[in-house]
Amino acid sequence: EVQLVESGGGLVQPGGSLKLSCAASGFTFSGSAMHWVRQASGKGLEWVGRIRSKANSYATAYAASVTGRFSISRDDSKNTAYLQMNSLKAEDTAVYYCTRHSSSFDFWGQGTLVTVSS
Amino acid sequence: DIQMTQSPSSLSASVGDRVTITCRASQSISSSLNWYQQKPGKAPKVLIYAASSLQSGVPSRFSGSGSGTDFTLTISSLQPEDFATYYCQQSYSLFTFGPGTKVDIK
Repeated sequence: EVQLVESGGGLVQPGGSLKLSCAASGFTFSGSAMHWVRQASGKGLEWVGRIRSKANSYATAYAASVTGRFSISRDDSKNTAYLQMNSLKAEDTAVYYCTRHSSSFDFWGQGTLVTVSS
Repeated sequence: DIQMTQSPSSLSASVGDRVTITCRASQSISSSLNWYQQKPGKAPKVLIYAASSLQSGVPSRFSGSGSGTDFTLTISSLQPEDFATYYCQQSYSLFTFGPGTKVDIK
């Protein structure tokens, strides 16, 4: 059974940093592109960024709204993807999902809530 | 950046109704279009990929069509479990979601 489990969310002050983790199981993590998608309360889905597999040089890409502040990494030995969030703003408050991309975002975690507030 | 729009933003329908949701891309995205269903408090679930391919395990009352800039998701006979929000998403150039269409009970 495929599982994606996010952790690391919480309350952080504006300007602060937070690192989210996404632990994967049940599929070949090392061969998969992993993405982060967020959703503010009552709002739609926003793609945040992705990291491709080793075969694709671990290439990363980000939404314009987070470029320069967020970075995605992975540790294939631990089947885990990470989202490092720096210089956080109130508008980054959202549930953050990790998701695997194959032909679509076919598997999702349950999400972790990040709240940016003083 | 490719922008996605959806219409309508919300609709009210009855069980058994045929429902159609439209998604439009700001430029041609070939068939790089996916549809998702999301229920409150839950992660999205993929229904259709590559514009018209039904994801494994998804009921056949869901179908997708279109290519280029205009796409459609159709639910042939709405069931109680289909009341949810539906999103389109392009993967032609990075990734963008549409704003969503909420389907609720008439």
